[in-house]
Amino acid sequence: GQQLNQSPQSMFIQEGEDVSMNCTSSSIFNTWLWYKQDPGEGPVLLIALYKAGELTSNGRLTAQFGITRKDSFLNISASIPSDVGIYFCAGQRVGGGADGLTFGKGTHLIIQP
Amino acid sequence: ETGVTQTPRHLVMGMTNKKSLKCEQHLGHNAMYWYKQSAKKPLELMFVYNFKEQTENNSVPSRFSPECPNSSHLFLHLHTLQPEDSALYLCASSPPKGTLGEKLFFGSGTQLSVL
Repeated sequence: GQQLNQSPQSMFIQEGEDVSMNCTSSSIFNTWLWYKQDPGEGPVLLIALYKAGELTSNGRLTAQFGITRKDSFLNISASIPSDVGIYFCAGQRVGGGADGLTFGKGTHLIIQP
Repeated sequence: ETGVTQTPRHLVMGMTNKKSLKCEQHLGHNAMYWYKQSAKKPLELMFVYNFKEQTENNSVPSRFSPECPNSSHLFLHLHTLQPEDSALYLCASSPPKGTLGEKLFFGSGTQLSVL
């Protein structure tokens, strides 16, 4: 099946630093989603991207839909302790519904005060 | 609070036990899903229900048995599980196709341990 390569697998950063993570695929997707999962909770949607080249922000978070439609990036500016968690990308194939989402393995973000 | 509620939050069971996981959504969605989340693995889709009809079963062993009595409720019946079935089981729902970008809304999950 389709696979997403999400990197980095984990990040150890200082509070206040900016964060960048990305997902790449060998397949084209028509939607990219970014989720965050806090410890002991389910993933919560952060940003949804629907068009190649689209750049969307949600507070300190900014995500981009790659021009090739095979990748996406998530940036977090000026990280704070509550940003700790696991960030997942998910790609939705052309013509697929929510059951057609392919998830990355996640990026563990750990913030040192 | 995502509008998707799962119970119990934690479950410990023996390999000979029978238990059920419950999921409720009050978002008016018509599709509901069961996912399995294991450490260092991508989320694995197990079952999909659209308007109470099962539309997908991703080669899940028969010891997992889903039930969807209506569009708001979803169950996962468990029996004779194996230790490797220990994982976080996530329920999700989504709006009808073509609306709101068909995004998934997840519950908080049931952390299952099989002894």
